[in-house]
Amino acid sequence: GENVGLHLPTLSVQEGDNSIINCAYSNSASDYFIWYKQESGKGPQFIIDIRSNMDKRQGQRVTVLLNKTVKHLSLQIAATQPGDSAVYFCAENRAGGTSYGKLTFGQGTILTVHP
Amino acid sequence: DADVTQTPRNRITKTGKRIMLECSQTKGHDRMYWYRQDPGLGLRLIYYSFDVKDINKGEISDGYSVSRQAQAKFSLSLESAIPNQTALYFCATSDFKGSADTQYFGPGTRLTVL
Repeated sequence: GENVGLHLPTLSVQEGDNSIINCAYSNSASDYFIWYKQESGKGPQFIIDIRSNMDKRQGQRVTVLLNKTVKHLSLQIAATQPGDSAVYFCAENRAGGTSYGKLTFGQGTILTVHP
Repeated sequence: DADVTQTPRNRITKTGKRIMLECSQTKGHDRMYWYRQDPGLGLRLIYYSFDVKDINKGEISDGYSVSRQAQAKFSLSLESAIPNQTALYFCATSDFKGSADTQYFGPGTRLTVL
């Protein structure tokens, strides 16, 4: 079936390094993608989103890249800080039909930032 | 997000008991969702509601029911709790605009069924 998944379940980086978290999706009908950050004991928090008509979108210290050819999404975090340690989820929002408005989440990547 | 609140935050109950989890939002969003989160399985959709009169099953609705009492309130019930319903439960809301439907999550309810 259609799914959104992650290549790496865990990622450890040193403070100050750049982090890249990857996500693969298989639903070519998806037109909107979101990255969420979930800290321990909290609900997922919106980080950044991107529509399928874009290849790149930048936020504060974060950049999302979308490669529709290979159905791949990545989240880049610049100058990673200990406060960035969390689980990161990608999610897809399918366009049209009865599935519209429902998010499908990947399993998550655990990012650990070492001081 | 303080705009989406969930009660209780933690609950321990016994097999066979009826449990209700409540969600309230002050964001003014029409859409509300209930998810459960299990280790290694990510977030899975239980039920969703696009407005007060619209209730839909998600991918894992068996054993659950919901009630949309008002635009701001969406409750999830476990009619007869069983141990494999032990999980983290999250409520979310969204305000559909065009093709973007970003969801905002509450802090979660940790439910343990003994």
